This record gives sequence, structure tokens and C-alpha cells, in this order.
Amino acid sequence: GQQVMQIPQYQHVQEGEDFTTYCNSSTTLSNIQWYKQRPGGHPVFLIQLVKSGEVKKQKRLTFQFGEAKKNSSLHITATQTTDVGTYFCAGRNTGRRALTFGSGTRLQVQP
Amino acid sequence: DTAVSQTPKYLVTQMGNDKSIKCEQNLGHDTMYWYKQDSKKFLKIMFSYNNKELIINETVPNRFSPKSPDKAHLNLHINSLELGDSAVYFCASSPPGTVYEQYFGPGTRLTVT
Repeated sequence: GQQVMQIPQYQHVQEGEDFTTYCNSSTTLSNIQWYKQRPGGHPVFLIQLVKSGEVKKQKRLTFQFGEAKKNSSLHITATQTTDVGTYFCAGRNTGRRALTFGSGTRLQVQP
Repeated sequence: DTAVSQTPKYLVTQMGNDKSIKCEQNLGHDTMYWYKQDSKKFLKIMFSYNNKELIINETVPNRFSPKSPDKAHLNLHINSLELGDSAVYFCASSPPGTVYEQYFGPGTRLTVT
């Protein structure tokens, strides 16, 4: 079945440093979504990418979808303590409604 | 003005018991989901209903049975609870369209002793 892996599992940065998490799927995806889960909270939808090579920005967050639609990345510029949490990618295959969530990257930001 | 709500928030029970978790959304969405998040934070879909019809049924033991009385509610009943069922169970909903972004509830932490 479809597998979605994320690296790194965990990243600890100093406030102001940049952060990137990478997502890789074993199959070609029709689209990919990103979610953020704060400690003790629930996942919150951030964005969806659909097109090959697509890049979207939300303030300090930059999302990319690979040309082959099998990988994606989330980059945070100048991290803040409010960025703490676990970031999940979630991929969907064509014709399927089910999302396959990645293993998540836990981000810790030292003030 | 809660969007997706779940009850209870915490559930501690013994092996072999039967328990239910309830979920309600007031967003007017037509699709609802149950996810299981284990201790390593892996999120895995269990079931999905669209307008009260089961559309996703992943490999889940028969002890788990979802029920959707209407499109705003999706409940999860678990029979003969096992230690491995301990996890956080999230309900989610998504609006009609093509994005299917998930709106998650606060979660129910189930502990089986």
C-alpha cells in the first residue's frame, strides 16, 4: 500500500533559524496536504498542493510539491516559538478520498 | 461555536469492556472520518462516511463499528477493548468540493488497562 515518510523525525532549532521538513511518497500523488499539530492539540489544515512543481507561501512558510508529485517540503523561515508542534504531510492518490498521513516531524524551537 | 466536537475527551476502561465515542460537527460538512493516533503520533484513517454512507473502511478489526445517524454525527463503538486500542481517536469532517481538507475534533484519549 501507499507509504508516506517524513524526515527528520525531530528537529530542535534556535529561534530565528530556518527549518525544513521533507515528505516522500512511495506512489505518485494527486495532491498533498500539510497539517500542524500543537502539543496536546489536534491537527490543523495548513495548505493543499495539487500541481507538479507548485510552490505556495503563507507568511514565513513555503510549501513545495515535487515535479514528479511524489515528494513535498515545508520550509519555515526565521522560526518563532509559536511554530512549535508536529508537522504532517498527507497525500492522496487519484480516485481515493483517503489521506495517507506522513510520520510527522516534531519541531522544537528554543527561545 | 465549536466546529467539531467529541465526547468524552478522556476514556479509561478495562480490557474486554465495550465503549463508544461520539462526534458532532456543526460546519455543514457532508463527509466525516475517524482517525487513530498511536503513541508514536502516527495518524491512520479508520473510517469515513459521506452523507451517512460508509465510503472508506480501512483494515480495522471488526470490533470497531462506526455509525452515522445523520451527516452531522459519526459515532465509534468499540467492542471487547484490548490494550492495543489505547490511542487518541480523532474525528474529522471535510466540506464538499475537491480539496477535502480535514477539520479535526479535539480528540478522545482512550486508555485500556
